[in-house]
Amino acid sequence: EVQLVESGGGLVQPGGSLKLSCAASGFNFSASPMHWVRQASGRGLEWVGRIRSDYATTYDVSVEGRFTISRDDSKNTAYLQMSSLKTEDTAVYYCAYPSGTGWYDYWGQGSLVTVSS
Amino acid sequence: DIVMTQSPDSLAVSLGERATIHCKSSQSVFWNSNSQNYLAWYQQKPGQPPRLLIYWASTRASGVPDRFSGSGSGTDFTLTITSLQADDVALYYCQQYHTTPPTFGQGTKVEIK
Repeated sequence: EVQLVESGGGLVQPGGSLKLSCAASGFNFSASPMHWVRQASGRGLEWVGRIRSDYATTYDVSVEGRFTISRDDSKNTAYLQMSSLKTEDTAVYYCAYPSGTGWYDYWGQGSLVTVSS
Repeated sequence: DIVMTQSPDSLAVSLGERATIHCKSSQSVFWNSNSQNYLAWYQQKPGQPPRLLIYWASTRASGVPDRFSGSGSGTDFTLTITSLQADDVALYYCQQYHTTPPTFGQGTKVEIK
């Protein structure tokens, strides 16, 4: 059974940093891409970025230069390092695993990040 | 970026009746090389992550009841829920995965009339 368990959310001041983790199990993690998607309260879904199995990363322009996605295949864990946080980054952050071509069939439970003074 | 626009924003349907949600992409999400539409549909209930319903525009995901169906091609797509059940009350999103960044529609709220 595929499981994605997120951790690391919380309250952070504007300009601060926070690191989310996504522990994966039930599939070949090292051979798989991992994505991050966020959802502001009452808002829709917004793609944040992804890391491929070859460690190549791609980001949405809204977070480029501020967020960094990484992975540790020895721990089956993906990370989202967020820096220079803005109030508009406040959202529930999901890690997601696309087992096929690009749809997300597996999601973490979500981790709430609140950016506020 | 490809902009996904859903309509309506919300709809109320009687139990047992049909619910229809539309999704329009700002450019085609059809890929000629494999004749596939790179379009997925999700259901999201409060406090839960999205649940995949449909991919390739019309293929139901594992465990999804057959009252959910997807159709369309190119830029215009439809999610149909035949015989709406109380458990179907949720937000529904379309998503294109044809081009990076993947983008989602704004969501359609389905309620019971």
